[in-house]
Amino acid sequence: QKEVEQDPGPLSVPEGAIVSLNCTYSNSAFQYFMWYRQYSRKGPELLMYTYSSGNKEDGRFTAQVDKSSKYISLFIRDSQPSDSATYLCAMRQASNTGKLIFGQGTTLQVKP
Amino acid sequence: DAGVIQSPRHEVTEMGQEVTLRCKPISGHDYLFWYRQTMMRGLELLIYFNNNVPIDDSGMPEDRFSAKMPNASFSTLKIQPSEPRDSAVYFCASRDGGRASYEQYFGPGTRLTVT
Repeated sequence: QKEVEQDPGPLSVPEGAIVSLNCTYSNSAFQYFMWYRQYSRKGPELLMYTYSSGNKEDGRFTAQVDKSSKYISLFIRDSQPSDSATYLCAMRQASNTGKLIFGQGTTLQVKP
Repeated sequence: DAGVIQSPRHEVTEMGQEVTLRCKPISGHDYLFWYRQTMMRGLELLIYFNNNVPIDDSGMPEDRFSAKMPNASFSTLKIQPSEPRDSAVYFCASRDGGRASYEQYFGPGTRLTVT
């Protein structure tokens, strides 16, 4: 079993829809949780991060962490065609300053 | 800053040949990471360095893979001999360990095809 599980999709939604992307994990030592966005033929870029549990909002994006369920989510409101990309969750332990564990990534397509 | 620079961007080689991928991290960053991305396995960490010293190479698939970081501004990932199953996109990333510990900056990747 992988440490981080993420449904690869693809996920196709109409413009303006609310998108929910999710990851589950098995290592309770994870403390830092991140979402990276990767456009086609580009490297991943950090979109949002959360430390420990709770919510974080940035414009149309909201990241949620539920450590009790070992479950993290990324919500995109009013989705736009420019949001079409692969979204990767990533996480790491507090004790390890280097190593991120990535999910497989979910490919999202927002249709105009 | 120019960001993380990788070369070549594309590499096509025949099975058995040696392949060398190159990376220049962002100036001032003290962590450097090599990843491999495939459709089947996603993004996998191969090895990472801190202050030019390899810290964790547990993700290196086998002895055919080796990585070096001779100085703070240059790293190489070498595959010898290459095999078709090594075909993937290889990313280099760097991070400033003195700042927020979550953000890694990725390069554009090297798309490797081994025939």
